[in-house]
Amino acid sequence: GAVVSQHPSRVICKSGTSVKIECRSLDFQATTMFWYRQFPKKSLMLMATSNEGSKATYEQGVEKDKFLINHASLTLSTLTVTSAHPEDSSFYICSASALTKSGNTIYFGEGSWLTVV
Amino acid sequence: SQQGEEDPQALSIQEGENATMNCSYKTSINNLQWYRQNSGRGLVHLILIRSNEREKHSGRLRVTLDTSKKSSSLLITASRAADTASYFCATLSSYKLIFGSGTRLLVRP
Repeated sequence: GAVVSQHPSRVICKSGTSVKIECRSLDFQATTMFWYRQFPKKSLMLMATSNEGSKATYEQGVEKDKFLINHASLTLSTLTVTSAHPEDSSFYICSASALTKSGNTIYFGEGSWLTVV
Repeated sequence: SQQGEEDPQALSIQEGENATMNCSYKTSINNLQWYRQNSGRGLVHLILIRSNEREKHSGRLRVTLDTSKKSSSLLITASRAADTASYFCATLSSYKLIFGSGTRLLVRP
């Protein structure tokens, strides 16, 4: 079946630095990918929709200059947390949309834990 | 949450009992999906119910959908300790998947 890979699975960075998280669709082309953020014991909050070859669409309240999203190819989207602060520590999950016989099917990555110290 | 609420927020039951979780949403939908998440891990897709369906079964899972009330329920029958996880409903609207607040289920052995 379709697989979505996220890297790194865990990352620790210093406050003020930037960190990049990759989301790859391994065996299908994903014209659309989604980025979510999840705090402990909370639900997933959609941050942005990433479209290949165009600018990402951010949800209300999400700072686009803080969370840079690039979808340079049909199999790769990246989320860069710029000038990270401890409050950016969270679990980030991506998903990718694939066109299957059943219609559009969404596959999720395993998530990336970000800790800012 | 961005889309709606789930209740209960937390549920603790004995192994063998049934667990029922409810989900309410806000907008019109194409379909509603239920996911499971073990602590600190990714999501596992459980079941999808389309907006024109009222009930769907998959193994020990039973999902209902009431579009007039904008609500859905997930029933897990004969629960097992391994069912311990968080369960989320998610609605597909405008090609975006939006999640409910989730229910943390604990099944005591």
